[in-house]
Amino acid sequence: NAGVTQTPKFRVLKTGQSMTLLCAQDMNHEYMYWYRQDPGMGLRLIHYSVGEGTTAKGEVPDGYNVSRLKKQNFLLGLESAAPSQTSVYFCASSSDRGIVSSYEQYFGPGTRLTVT
Amino acid sequence: QKEVEQDPGPLSVPEGAIVSLNCTYSNSAFQYFMWYRQYSRKGPELLMYTYSSGNKEDGRFTAQVDKSSKYISLFIRDSQPSDSATYLCAMSFYNQGGKLIFGQGTELSVKP
Repeated sequence: NAGVTQTPKFRVLKTGQSMTLLCAQDMNHEYMYWYRQDPGMGLRLIHYSVGEGTTAKGEVPDGYNVSRLKKQNFLLGLESAAPSQTSVYFCASSSDRGIVSSYEQYFGPGTRLTVT
Repeated sequence: QKEVEQDPGPLSVPEGAIVSLNCTYSNSAFQYFMWYRQYSRKGPELLMYTYSSGNKEDGRFTAQVDKSSKYISLFIRDSQPSDSATYLCAMSFYNQGGKLIFGQGTELSVKP
C-alpha cells in the first residue's frame, strides 16, 4: 500500500497563477483533509471531506477550493496564488469506522509551495 | 488566542533524559486528545491518543490529560536521538468527523 500520496512535491508559482494539488489514498478512507503548515502556526485545516462528493470549510479556507469527485482523491485548488499562500501543504485521510479511528489521520509527505 | 497553545521550543536534552511536552487549551468541550510526531520534512504520524481525563502509557511514552486544568502532557522516558522530532498535540470534540485542532508543535532534539 502506498498510503497517502501527494503531487507535486515542490512547486514555485508567480502571484496570480493557479494550480491544483492532488492527494490520493489507497486505504479506502471516507475522510480526507487538507492542511497547511507554517512556522510557529502548527497545522491548520483548510478544507475537509467526510465522503465522496462532499466538502466543508476548515479554519483557513479563503483562497482555496477543493473537490472530491472520487473517494480516493481529494484536490486542492489555488485560483489566484498569493505570497501569503507560501507554505507546506499536507493531505491526510482517516477511517469512519469508529470515533477513535476517525482521529487517526494518515498524512502524505507534503507539498512545498512557494509563491513569488 | 489560539484554542490550543503549545510552546514551540526548540527543546534540547541529553540522551536518556525524561522529556515533558505540554499543551494547554481553552475549550472545555474537547474530548479526545492526541499526540502526533513529525520527523523533519515528513508528514505527522499518530503517536498516542487519550479519551477524556487520565493517563495512558505505551512503552517509553506516557500521555496525561488534566481536564480540570485544561492541560495535557506527553512524557518520554529514556529519550533517544531517534526521538528527535516535532511533537504536535491535537484535540477534538465528540464525533466531529475526524476534525482535529493542532497545537503549534514543539521541536525536540535529543543529543547523544
